[in-house]
Amino acid sequence: GQNIDQPTEMTATEGAIVQINCTYQTSGFNGLFWYQQHAGEAPTFLSYNVLDGLEEKGRFSSFLSRSKGYSYLLLKELQMKDSASYLCAVMDSNYQLIWGAGTKLIIKP
Amino acid sequence: SAVISQKPSRDICQRGTSLTIQCQVDSQVTMMFWYRQQPGQSLTLIATANQGSEATYESGFVIDKFPISRPNLTFSTLTVSNMSPEDSSIYLCSVRTGESGANVLTFGAGSRLTVL
Repeated sequence: GQNIDQPTEMTATEGAIVQINCTYQTSGFNGLFWYQQHAGEAPTFLSYNVLDGLEEKGRFSSFLSRSKGYSYLLLKELQMKDSASYLCAVMDSNYQLIWGAGTKLIIKP
Repeated sequence: SAVISQKPSRDICQRGTSLTIQCQVDSQVTMMFWYRQQPGQSLTLIATANQGSEATYESGFVIDKFPISRPNLTFSTLTVSNMSPEDSSIYLCSVRTGESGANVLTFGAGSRLTVL
């Protein structure tokens, strides 16, 4: 079956760096997405990786290794507003999105 | 990216009743997707709504329980029928945009349903 694993919850300190990991096993691969979801709100798109390597976008970076079925989202200079759930999703060979359960990130002052 | 208006934003419903959720997009789109997000869980695709044809339902979801309309390229509705407390969830509509050259999904703000 298809599966995406990510930690349920992580805690980090304001101003620090945190890395949220995502591993996947899917039928084919057509890209990996990271979304941010604040409590009570809809998910919003953060990043997309389809080739191996690092994609940087401001304070957020996302890394992909297709051979390892592995991605991470790196958040730098953490701010209190970064407290949210971070969802990893993979598009399989049928262009269907497989969603992880999300990682709840708690930022402490 | 597309702007999606979804309503109601929240509702409290009685067991056995039905509720229709509306989703309006500010541009024409071929496919609209309806998701469910139960408390503390991730997103589950209910169905894909195509204009001019029947919706395509995912495993575990049936048309009698979740009828969908798609009368034009900017609008869709999802009805949650004969509700039970297990249907308490957030229901989200979404569309694909060409952001970042990828099949990025943009979501409506969601409809939070509580069934008593």
